Amino acid sequence: DTAVSQTPKYLVTQMGNDKSIKCEQNLGHDTMYWYKQDSKKFLKIMFSYNNKELIINETVPNRFSPKSPDKAHLNLHINSLELGDSAVYFCASSFTSREQYFGPGTRLTVT
Amino acid sequence: GESVGLHLPTLSVQEGDNSIINCAYSNSASDYFIWYKQESGKGPQFIIDIRSNMDKRQGQRVTVLLNKTVKHLSLQIAATQPGDSAVYFCAENISPSHASGGSYIPTFGRGTSLIVHP
Repeated sequence: DTAVSQTPKYLVTQMGNDKSIKCEQNLGHDTMYWYKQDSKKFLKIMFSYNNKELIINETVPNRFSPKSPDKAHLNLHINSLELGDSAVYFCASSFTSREQYFGPGTRLTVT
Repeated sequence: GESVGLHLPTLSVQEGDNSIINCAYSNSASDYFIWYKQESGKGPQFIIDIRSNMDKRQGQRVTVLLNKTVKHLSLQIAATQPGDSAVYFCAENISPSHASGGSYIPTFGRGTSLIVHP
């Protein structure tokens, strides 16, 4: 009965590769998000998405793109991975303007 | 308390003491505030929230205080337990009418590491 799930939990890859992280929520929420958490625990929002609107944090490189096949899924695709992309990525979901429920995180290591 | 800086602020307390974690927010248009707890290796977890038309809200062992005049938020944990050890984040949400595109983007503070000594 996991609320927000992400796969994989760990991802190790080389620079220049393209990878995807999957996220699913079974809470019936209308909004999903992707966050990046750096080594100092700073949480930075990357995207906010519902079936009406995609809000992109302007500091996010366009190598990152969210893809939503349906309301319950928001996948994160990353092109041409760089060393600085190494971080923990969290998916979250919520009803609009309410508290968010976070997934367990995906630790991405780029070598 | 939380602050912008290179290091994660840390609060160390003894088991049984009360803890107070502080947060300064930046946007006077923010109308909804949330505290999250992040345990090691896990995602942030909702603790308590408060709307801007309130100045205090209580939960089980936790109280959130909001001072809009100075844009300050605090989380008080009563009788702190070792299981409370975690990183605590405050987050502010701006109402859609104030944010670009009609939606909102929640903004998280830097986090405070709470260490509870038995």
